[in-house]
Amino acid sequence: DVVLTQTPPTLSATIGQSVSISCRSSQSLLHSNGNTYLNWLLQRPGQPPQLLIYLVSRLESGVPNRFSGSGSGTDFTLKISGVEAEDLGVYYCVQSTHAPFTFGSGTKLEIK
Amino acid sequence: EVQLVESGGGLVQPGRSLKLSCVASGFTFSNYGMNWIRQAPGKGLEWVAYISSGSSYIYYAETVKGRFTISRDNAKNTLYLQMTSLRSEDTALYYCARRYYFDYWGQGVMVTVSS
Repeated sequence: DVVLTQTPPTLSATIGQSVSISCRSSQSLLHSNGNTYLNWLLQRPGQPPQLLIYLVSRLESGVPNRFSGSGSGTDFTLKISGVEAEDLGVYYCVQSTHAPFTFGSGTKLEIK
Repeated sequence: EVQLVESGGGLVQPGRSLKLSCVASGFTFSNYGMNWIRQAPGKGLEWVAYISSGSSYIYYAETVKGRFTISRDNAKNTLYLQMTSLRSEDTALYYCARRYYFDYWGQGVMVTVSS
């Protein structure tokens, strides 16, 4: 099974600070169809997760453009350019290239 | 508006069975693959199963393979998860979510396995 290693496990940021979260895969997430099914989700406290980024770097409709995704193969990054108070929660990467699909262990973002 | 509403959860004894449902609305259900994901109390997300739009492709996590069955009824816009031989470690909030991108989620339904 694909293992996704997310770092850091926790992140503390001030409003306006830019932060990055890493997601490293135990094998390439490039699908034979040419797509890389690496997605980023945010789970706010007490809420179901919501999609932020899909296919590595595509911003989901309605998601602020301070969120961006990058990477290829086995190394991926979510960047928040100017953290806002509403960004607190747990961020997960998830891959759906290889079955069984797998989630990273999560990165908890706290606001200082 | 896309909506996913899970139901069927509850308290069940170890070894017993339970069937979850996820009713979809606001989109053409028959065009999309669907997932079940679970989250144990205070823990992270664990993917459980996926079914393609026409049920041709079905995948399971190793932790549930042979015990859980994912299915769908496109005429009823409903996704199912039949859970058998339940264990305490299956205790979790179960979510349904749409397609490979997990772009829409339900609010979740709680399953508690305890004697």
